[in-house]
Amino acid sequence: GNSVTQMEGPVTLSEEAFLTINCTYTATGYPSLFWYVQYPGEGLQLLLKATKADDKGSNKGFEATYRKETTSFHLEKGSVQVSDSAVYFCALSVGGSTLGRLYFGRGTQLTVWP
Amino acid sequence: GAGVSQSPSNKVTEKGKDVELRCDPISGHTALYWYRQSLGQGLEFLIYFQGNSAPDKSGLPSDRFSAERTGGSVSTLTIQRTQQEDSAVYLCASSFISQETQYFGPGTRLLVL
Repeated sequence: GNSVTQMEGPVTLSEEAFLTINCTYTATGYPSLFWYVQYPGEGLQLLLKATKADDKGSNKGFEATYRKETTSFHLEKGSVQVSDSAVYFCALSVGGSTLGRLYFGRGTQLTVWP
Repeated sequence: GAGVSQSPSNKVTEKGKDVELRCDPISGHTALYWYRQSLGQGLEFLIYFQGNSAPDKSGLPSDRFSAERTGGSVSTLTIQRTQQEDSAVYLCASSFISQETQYFGPGTRLLVL
């Protein structure tokens, strides 16, 4: 089946620290991979995506590389800011019968302290 | 342009009552999805529309849940005889076509007392 596993939170970091949030997946077929972010009191926003192996998605200093050999899509940022505090969701979609529905991980709460 | 909008933003209801949740997708988006976000279950898919038809209803948790979409635009999710376990944030998303990036609305927070 299709599923996403991401590291349990919460993650607490000091400002300017390096961030990694691990995400691995299983998929029937060839998935597209996404990171969504949910800031406090707001809706889900697409952070970045990658649609084929070895693609790197990037946005707002965040990066994630689609690794087919390890079925992973880890999120990284070199220097986090207080404003990055949010919940981060890894997700995948595949074609075929599931028609693009998203399969989400459980989310990782990130808190950044000044 | 305008994003996905949902109404109401919050809904408190009594157990056993029916509720209707509305989603206005981004103009021109043919694909529309409903998801549910709850503490115990995370983010769960409910139903997918392509135009006015729903080729994937596999995520609806029971026959108390139904949804329709009219004119290829607005969608309504109806929950009949609400139960306390229905309390959650109901999210709507749309995309230009299926398998493209989905854009989410702010959600409707439903509380069943």
